[in-house]
Amino acid sequence: DGGITQSPKYLFRKEGQNVTLSCEQNLNHDAMYWYRQDPGQGLRLIYYSQIVNDFQKGDIAEGYSVSREKKESFPLTVTSAQKNPTAFYLCASRKNRGTYGYTFGSGTRLTVV
Amino acid sequence: QQQVKQSPQSLIVQKGGISIINCAYENTAFDYFPWYQQFPGKGPALLIAIRPDVSEKKEGRFTISFNKSAKQFSLHIMDSQPGDSATYFCAALTGNQFYFGTGTSLTVIP
Repeated sequence: DGGITQSPKYLFRKEGQNVTLSCEQNLNHDAMYWYRQDPGQGLRLIYYSQIVNDFQKGDIAEGYSVSREKKESFPLTVTSAQKNPTAFYLCASRKNRGTYGYTFGSGTRLTVV
Repeated sequence: QQQVKQSPQSLIVQKGGISIINCAYENTAFDYFPWYQQFPGKGPALLIAIRPDVSEKKEGRFTISFNKSAKQFSLHIMDSQPGDSATYFCAALTGNQFYFGTGTSLTVIP
């Protein structure tokens, strides 16, 4: 079955540490996205990529970095510059053209300890 | 600035009742309006979607009503069930980017 796989499901980060969240899709989708979800704030866009080796900042990119070396993969690194990283992180993908919805992964919950 | 405004923030409905969630937008470039359902600890899943050339779309107990002139659209859940208890997000697409509402937490009481 095609889908998006996010790992790990739970992640704990110490102060000053960088951590990387994995997102892999086998849907042959062109575009991939990272969102952050906090209670009462809905989904906020961190980064997105429409093609391999290209990505753009979203609304809250500060303290995060991404790469898109393969069509299937779009990892997100939460750097030590992100002062409040505790949140639920969602990866999504979709076809680039036409009116199609997102397919979301099951999320990674990141907690600072 | 919130591109898509969603209300209410939370909703409690009796089993068998109708749940109604509303969204409003300003950007007339939006051309696709999906609704997502999210259970705790899970990613959102596409529930139903509509394009602006249609005023209503129904799939089972779920209906989207779309009012292009008012720039509003709503989700109606008929015969609401406890299993419908989840958070619902509306969204709007322009180009390759979606804009999401802030979500509605629905609780259906048995």
